[in-house]
Amino acid sequence: GESVGLHLPTLSVQEGDNSIINCAYSNSASDYFIWYKQESGKGPQFIIDIRSNMDKRQGQRVTVLLNKTVKHLSLQIAATQPGDSAVYFCAENEYGNKLVFGAGTILRVKS
Amino acid sequence: DVKVTQSSRYLVKRTGEKVFLECVQDMDHENMFWYRQDPGLGLRLIYFSYDVKMKEKGDIPEGYSVSREKKERFSLILESASTNQTSMYLCASSLGGRNEKLFFGSGTQLSVL
Repeated sequence: GESVGLHLPTLSVQEGDNSIINCAYSNSASDYFIWYKQESGKGPQFIIDIRSNMDKRQGQRVTVLLNKTVKHLSLQIAATQPGDSAVYFCAENEYGNKLVFGAGTILRVKS
Repeated sequence: DVKVTQSSRYLVKRTGEKVFLECVQDMDHENMFWYRQDPGLGLRLIYFSYDVKMKEKGDIPEGYSVSREKKERFSLILESASTNQTSMYLCASSLGGRNEKLFFGSGTQLSVL
């Protein structure tokens, strides 16, 4: 299957700043996308998802943007906090198939 | 709250041993999955199951088997553990149908010596 990749393996931000984590996907038939957060020693936790009929979805302090034209997904975290430090994964899904995960981006929050 | 429980957080086994990794979910989910996670490689799907007694190979099934005798329990079996199976193993479940959202357990870090 096609893979999902990440532009930046590590992102360092100052506490209070906004964070943007990017993800490129290659399967134009993918119609569902999801972001997970994985803290050290824990399993991935769901953050937010979006279907291909939308280009933006907001949660609590997080926003996912989907640009189908360039096959790009991003996760924006507002007012980043030390507790946001983790590895963030994007994943894509084409109907009838299974989730395909990217390798992950490390987010480090500096106090 | 949704809960996926993996029986062991850390496990150390010898080459050639038979290893069982257990996973239980309490959400009445139809689908269950086993992934392994290695640095730089992301999550790779080993096996999955959409129903009791049903199993499907994922992307890297070699050296593994699974068992799903009850809806809530999905076991991963390493028939003869090898050092290249040292990894973090993650179990996940999802509701079923078109619901792709996975709920993960905390993982089992397996070391094969």
